Amino acid sequence: EVQLVESGGGLVQPGGSLRVSCAASGFVFSNYWMSWVRQAPGKGLEWVANIKEDGRERYYVGSVKGRFTISRDNAKKSLYLQMNSLRVEDTAVYYCARLQVYYDYVGGSYRPWYFDYWGQGTLVTVSS
Amino acid sequence: QSVLTQPPSVSATPGQKVTISCSGSSSNIGNNYVSWYQHLPGTAPKLLIYNDNERPSGIPDRFSGSKSGTSATLGITGLQTGDEANYYCGTWDTTLSAVVFGGGTKLTVL
Repeated sequence: EVQLVESGGGLVQPGGSLRVSCAASGFVFSNYWMSWVRQAPGKGLEWVANIKEDGRERYYVGSVKGRFTISRDNAKKSLYLQMNSLRVEDTAVYYCARLQVYYDYVGGSYRPWYFDYWGQGTLVTVSS
Repeated sequence: QSVLTQPPSVSATPGQKVTISCSGSSSNIGNNYVSWYQHLPGTAPKLLIYNDNERPSGIPDRFSGSKSGTSATLGITGLQTGDEANYYCGTWDTTLSAVVFGGGTKLTVL
């Protein structure tokens, strides 16, 4: 059974840093792209970042570029999101998700296809 | 404002059918695959539909997906009280180079 369990959320002041983690089990972690998706209070889902199986390609939504870093440790079957220079608007539940991709031969790159498994999320609150 | 537009809410009675629309543009829905997710607050979102109209194993055939041009639709037949949840469409946006979601639709089964 595929399981994704997030941890590390909490309260942090604006401008501060926090790292959230996701422990994966039930599948060969190193064979899959992974993602972070967040949901601010009362809002919808927002994609945050993707990382390739080997960690060599990483992609971010514009609002977090330069502040957040997605990484992974395939030996530990774990996914991470390092969040720096946090803002009040980063307050959200952060979900770890397994991402299926397909190869776009026209564009010559991998393209996100769908998220087939999700964790239950960890709450990050940015407030003074 | 979300890139993809969904109605904020829909409602129906048990046993009825409901559809949830998702409107976009040629840079997203019009040229990329659409997926749909069911989400109950406090739980993990669940994949319902991928490839516009494919169901993962374990998803009942009461759930269906379709797409025409720059709009997609999720259909749910034989509504059950357990279907009460928020539903989101998602796809890739070629212009934004980002995964985009709709704002979500809250389904109430009266």
